[in-house]
Amino acid sequence: NAGVTQTPKFQVLKTGQSMTLQCAQDMNHNSMYWYRQDPGMGLRLIYYSASEGTTDKGEVPNGYNVSRLNKREFSLRLESAAPSQTSVYFCASSEVGGRGTNEQFFGPGTRLTVL
Amino acid sequence: GQQLNQSPQSMFIQEGEDVSMNCTSSSIFNTWLWYKQEPGEGPVLLIALYKAGELTSNGRLTAQFGITRKDSFLNISASIPSDVGIYFCAGRISGTYKYIFGTGTRLKVLA
Repeated sequence: NAGVTQTPKFQVLKTGQSMTLQCAQDMNHNSMYWYRQDPGMGLRLIYYSASEGTTDKGEVPNGYNVSRLNKREFSLRLESAAPSQTSVYFCASSEVGGRGTNEQFFGPGTRLTVL
Repeated sequence: GQQLNQSPQSMFIQEGEDVSMNCTSSSIFNTWLWYKQEPGEGPVLLIALYKAGELTSNGRLTAQFGITRKDSFLNISASIPSDVGIYFCAGRISGTYKYIFGTGTRLKVLA
């Protein structure tokens, strides 16, 4: 099993450009998440999808959109990139509910720079 | 927003020493998770805790779910150079799908 995979690993954008970050998981988890990580800060939740067909805002959703394409895939889109969106983006998945099923697993991250 | 305080922010220790770090929350959690992150990598899950008072070990790592359900502790015994990294706690509030993360403890081990 690959776990959680993300593409691309690195990306440089100019201000105003758009792009989509891709995430896929092969653990049959219901819930998927997008976080950003900035220096000196913990992981901050951008959006999450509790189950296929649903998405909800997290702590820092402004400037982003998401799509839960199917149970396996959850994408994050930046419509008009800004320098403040320079960060490392992590996708994660979990099976929420009941003892022993709340573990959350992370992908390797996408390092995004907006010039 | 939800607050999760993690301390210490950083630690410099000698190889062989024991390490302790903790997280405290303003909210009650029903799950505590502890992660390790190395440079350029995603966080890797170390230990998961589900019940107040629970004590769980993973090799030299031991974590506890606080009785108040608002705190958790991670101990590393007999540290080695490969323990270097940033350790994060995370908690999930009962009835939600969201996880709240601490700001991390940066550990450096001096050989």
